[in-house]
Amino acid sequence: EAGVAQSPRYKIIEKRQSVAFWCNPISGHATLYWYQQILGQGPKLLIQFQNNGVVDDSQLPKDRFSAERLKGVDSTLKIQPAKLEDSAVYLCASSARGNSLGQYFGPGTRLLVL
Amino acid sequence: SQQGEEDPQALSIQEGENATMNCSYKTSINNLQWYRQNSGRGLVHLILIRSNEREKHSGRLRVTLDTSKKSSSLLITASRAADTASYFCATDAVDSNYQLIWGAGTKLIIKP
Repeated sequence: EAGVAQSPRYKIIEKRQSVAFWCNPISGHATLYWYQQILGQGPKLLIQFQNNGVVDDSQLPKDRFSAERLKGVDSTLKIQPAKLEDSAVYLCASSARGNSLGQYFGPGTRLLVL
Repeated sequence: SQQGEEDPQALSIQEGENATMNCSYKTSINNLQWYRQNSGRGLVHLILIRSNEREKHSGRLRVTLDTSKKSSSLLITASRAADTASYFCATDAVDSNYQLIWGAGTKLIIKP
């Protein structure tokens, strides 16, 4: 089966600019996660979707970050405006039944904010 | 918040030796999972152990879970250069809405 797809793979922007990331989960996976991973740290959950509804977005900086999952399939994560501390890898993951069988990750988008 | 804490933070061993990494966590869990992350790439799920299991094997991997001590260990036997990566434990805590809480990882380097 095809894995989780993400694009772009790399993005360099200046602070205060906007950026958007796209994720296509594994077909049939109802749960989709966006994580932020800063260098040297473990992933930090930003938002979790179940189909097209938000399960948890408590750690999403809502003043600048937004995410949507239209039709319960693809998802986009947007940052507007970006700050220097947003430089990180943004990982998308999906799972079929919560975490009973593990999460499948995309390759990530490496964001550098200058 | 990070529940899992891996130990050691970094480990360097010779190819062919065994590598052991430990993970401690704080709350009751449904399961504990180990993932591998090669440099600059996404995370790959290695193995999942449920709270009612004590040991699990997958190829050269052996995972143990001690719920009384809230700890787990990952053993990689007969290490290879390709095992060089960061290893993360992640816990699926009870009542967590299927979220995983991650540690900071152990960076493993296998020297040829």
